[in-house]
Amino acid sequence: NAGVTQTPKFQVLKTGQSMTLQCAQDMNHEYMSWYRQDPGMGLRLIHYSVGAGITDQGEVPNGYNVSRSTTEDFPLRLLSAAPSQTSVYFCASSRTSGSSYEQYFGPGTRLTVT
Amino acid sequence: GDSVTQMEGPVTLSEEAFLTINCTYTATGYPSLFWYVQYPGEGLQLLLKATKADDKGSNKGFEATYRKETTSFHLEKGSVQVSDSAVYFCALRSYNTDKLIFGTGTRLQVFP
Repeated sequence: NAGVTQTPKFQVLKTGQSMTLQCAQDMNHEYMSWYRQDPGMGLRLIHYSVGAGITDQGEVPNGYNVSRSTTEDFPLRLLSAAPSQTSVYFCASSRTSGSSYEQYFGPGTRLTVT
Repeated sequence: GDSVTQMEGPVTLSEEAFLTINCTYTATGYPSLFWYVQYPGEGLQLLLKATKADDKGSNKGFEATYRKETTSFHLEKGSVQVSDSAVYFCALRSYNTDKLIFGTGTRLQVFP
């Protein structure tokens, strides 16, 4: 199993540009989520999904869109990038129906918006 | 709402020293508790977990005990190594949700 994969690993955008961060998992996990990691703030939940066709907002959803058309994929879209979105983004997945299940994380995408 | 509070870092230790990283939480019900570790340039990996009061999670010489009376889940290791240098995150997952709530992370630096 490849686990959770993310692309690209690094990205530089200009203010106002759009892009999609890709995330895929091959563990048949129902739950997938996106976090951003900023210095001194830990990981903050952006959006999450409990299954194909179902998404919901997390703690910091503004400026980001998601969709979940398949169990495997959970892309994160930035429609008009802003410097405040400079961060490291992590995708994670897990089984549902039990709070003891661990979340598996991808390697991250480092995004810089100039 | 649910929250996790971790001691601020960095924590700087010499090799073979004893490590404690404090973590306390606020949650309704009975959450599961986790410690994740992030090595430089990598994603997060689960280090250990505990799912009910008085459970002790352990892995790679690290351990933490779920203390409901003090709402704590402190991470300990008896003898740290240089290779333990990383950022450690305490997290909880509430019983009625799949969402994971993280602390701010504690950077550990171990010197030879």
